[in-house]
Amino acid sequence: QSVLTQPPSASGTPGQRVTISCSGSSSNIGSNTVNWYQQLPGTAPKLLIYSNNQRPSGVPDRFSGSKSGTSASLAISGLQSEDEADYYCAAWDDSLNGQVFGGGTKLTVL
Amino acid sequence: QVQLQESGPGLVKPSETLSLTCAVSGYSISSGYYWGWIRQPPGKGLEWIGSIYHSGSTYYNPSLKSRVTISVDTSKNQFSLKLSSVTAADTAVYYCARQRVESDFDYWGQGTLVTVSS
Repeated sequence: QSVLTQPPSASGTPGQRVTISCSGSSSNIGSNTVNWYQQLPGTAPKLLIYSNNQRPSGVPDRFSGSKSGTSASLAISGLQSEDEADYYCAAWDDSLNGQVFGGGTKLTVL
Repeated sequence: QVQLQESGPGLVKPSETLSLTCAVSGYSISSGYYWGWIRQPPGKGLEWIGSIYHSGSTYYNPSLKSRVTISVDTSKNQFSLKLSSVTAADTAVYYCARQRVESDFDYWGQGTLVTVSS
């Protein structure tokens, strides 16, 4: 059971906007920044969003992140077939004094 | 460009110690950042194992703390993971990554599969 809760799956059609939620608690999302990772099939995770809503260089602006209270969301607009991947949220947890991940959301582009 | 590469045995016997090394290139470990290990059992999600600073300061996942040791060798620009008393539940792809303090992992290795089996 992951400390951060994500829906196991999400889907959308090309061009559509999809959002993936991540729910936590006051000890993690409520008091620290949220990061998002994209894991394409058979590859290592890649940092997609850091500090709640910042994109590393090279990440398209179709990807955006937000946080409110103890929840966070990843939005993908203009969905493309190459966006089909697993997405993980993560945050520091002050109670565990460590990094916690969500269980991951498998995004399918129909 | 920062690059990380994991290395170590792909097969470990139950009750033995898993040992992996992460070689870093394109950045000096001594210059800063934390350096971490994350694992992913087949078909499952990511689990943070622990992280180390170049000074040797460490912090570990509480659920693994009793079995984990992470060390750093700044002269070789690499850091290592040891996980003792392994069982089949420790079978996973193990990743090393660079970590901003109590925050994101911005560079990752390609990962190495370690299978625990007799």
